[in-house]
Amino acid sequence: GENVEQHPSTLSVQEGDSAVIKCTYSDSASNYFPWYKQELGKRPQLIIDIRSNVGEKKDQRIAVTLNKTAKHFSLHITETQPEDSAVYFCAASRRKLQFGAGTQVVVTP
Amino acid sequence: DGGITQSPKYLFRKEGQNVTLSCEQNLNHDAMYWYRQDPGQGLRLIYYSQIVNDFQKGDIAEGYSVSREKKESFPLTVTSAQKNPTAFYLCASSDSPRGEKLFFGSGTQLSVL
Repeated sequence: GENVEQHPSTLSVQEGDSAVIKCTYSDSASNYFPWYKQELGKRPQLIIDIRSNVGEKKDQRIAVTLNKTAKHFSLHITETQPEDSAVYFCAASRRKLQFGAGTQVVVTP
Repeated sequence: DGGITQSPKYLFRKEGQNVTLSCEQNLNHDAMYWYRQDPGQGLRLIYYSQIVNDFQKGDIAEGYSVSREKKESFPLTVTSAQKNPTAFYLCASSDSPRGEKLFFGSGTQLSVL
């Protein structure tokens, strides 16, 4: 089945800097790649997703890039703010979602 | 908490006891999912249901059971066969049979007494 690895497990950034989280997947047939954000004590929420026929997608300060050849995709957060502090999960899917282990992002003022 | 509701928020299980976690949604979604969240391990799929009266095992189904008698409801029972039940349990629903754009509930923290 699908295996998704996510790095780093923790990421500390200065407010205003950029943050990048990377994920690799094993099943070359996976065609859907979402990212979820889970703030402390709250439910995970979908923040952005991308399909395999698209190489990049942006939504305000967040963007996701996909490299199908290398089987990896990344989340980019620009101009980080304290409210970006959360755990971020990547996932990959052909028929059902397989999640990465998560990245704890801490934005320090 | 509109959309998908989990109860209770906290639950304690005694040795040898079965406990049931509730999940109700009013989003008219066909597909519903149960995930287990442990620190540092992401979200692992326990069971899922794509339609009423049908469900499939996920990656870690042993020691768990589910039912899907109504579209709105997908309860999870943690049986005494589950030897390490302490975890945060998340229910989710989707209007996609492949689990795209999941809406999550607020979760149930299960602990063993």
